[in-house]
Parts: sequence; C-alpha cells; structure tokens
Amino acid sequence: DTAVSQTPKYLVTQMGNDKSIKCEQNLGHDTMYWYKQDSKKFLKIMFSYNNKELIINETVPNRFSPKSPDKAHLNLHINSLELGDSAVYFCASSLGEGATDTQYFGPGTRLTVL
Amino acid sequence: AQSVTQLGSHVSVSEGALVLLRCNYSSSVPPYLFWYVQYPNQGLQLLLKYTTGATLVKGINGFEAEFKKSETSFHLTKPSAHMSDAAEYFCAVIKAAGNKLTFGGGTRVLVKP
Repeated sequence: DTAVSQTPKYLVTQMGNDKSIKCEQNLGHDTMYWYKQDSKKFLKIMFSYNNKELIINETVPNRFSPKSPDKAHLNLHINSLELGDSAVYFCASSLGEGATDTQYFGPGTRLTVL
Repeated sequence: AQSVTQLGSHVSVSEGALVLLRCNYSSSVPPYLFWYVQYPNQGLQLLLKYTTGATLVKGINGFEAEFKKSETSFHLTKPSAHMSDAAEYFCAVIKAAGNKLTFGGGTRVLVKP
C-alpha cells in the first residue's frame, strides 16, 4: 500500500549507458515531480507534471527526459549517463499544483555511474 | 529568487534536550514554509507547514515551528529529543503562486544517549 513507489531502489551502471527510473503513485494525485539529491544532500527540483503535462523544467540537460503515460506514473529516462549524474533521485506527488498541496516523496533511487 | 539557509549542517543534542534547527529564507514576499525529515535511506516526510493563519505551527512527532516575518525565519523546535529523532531535516519554501519547492542545505541531527 505504498503511496509513492520507485523502481529500482539502486541502480549501478557504466558511463554512456541509457537507463530509466520508474515512479508510481496510488494517491490519486494530479501532480508529480522529480528531484535530484546530490552527494552533499542538496535537493533540487528537476521536473513537474500536472495531469500528464510538463509544468516545470528546471534547466536540466536534455539527456534527461521525463515521460508521464498517465497521471499515476512519471518515469525518468536518462541518456548517455555521466559521472555527475550519480545522485539519489526522488519522485514526489501532490494533489494539485497549488503551493499549499503537500508533496509526498518516494523512497528514492540511488544511481551510481561508474 | 528565493533561497533558504539552514544554519548548521550538523546538530548534536542529548536525549531529552531541546532540539532547535534554524531556517531563514529570503524572498520578496513571504512564501509558504515547510519542514521535511529524511530518515536514513528513506524519502522525505513532511513534518509541518505554514501557509497562512497562526504563526506557530505544530507538526508530527512533537515538533513545532514559528514563522517570524520580521526575522524571515521559520525555526524548528522540539522540547525533548528522542533517539528516533536522529535524521536529516530540510527547510523548504514555495512562492504563494507556485509549486516549486526550494530546499535548504539540510541539518543532520545526532542524538546522544
């Protein structure tokens, strides 16, 4: 009965590879997000989707492509992985895109690029 | 642009002692304010939030925070630390018209027995 789930939990891969991280929420929320947490624990938003439409794109390299097949899913595909992509990636969701709508976070996916 | 500053990347407290985590924001208009907690190897969980109304906000696990507009602060406190409070704590803000959370750098709390 996990509210926001991500797969995989850990991902280790070589530079240059392409990988995807999946996110699903069963809260009935309309808005979903991807955040990146670097090695210093600094958290920064990458993307936000509302009802399958992109509403925030925070100057993320275009090697990163989010895809929302339906409003319960927001996947993150990363092409040509680089060492600097190593981080923990968190998915989150909220009821709507309003500032007072609490964002609920998934458990994170730790990506290590070798 | 708004930013969030958390004073002290590490705080060590004794079990039973007061926990005080400091957060200051810079914004042209008062934003909405949040505290999140991250336990080891887990995602973030909302502790409490301030949007409007009473400036003293109570959250889960005995935490509370007070919004002080004149000081642009939103410090988090808990009267008596418990071992289970050991975690990373993040202050965050959102502009009233947006949904983009901007996080502070985090404060790791260590609780000594």
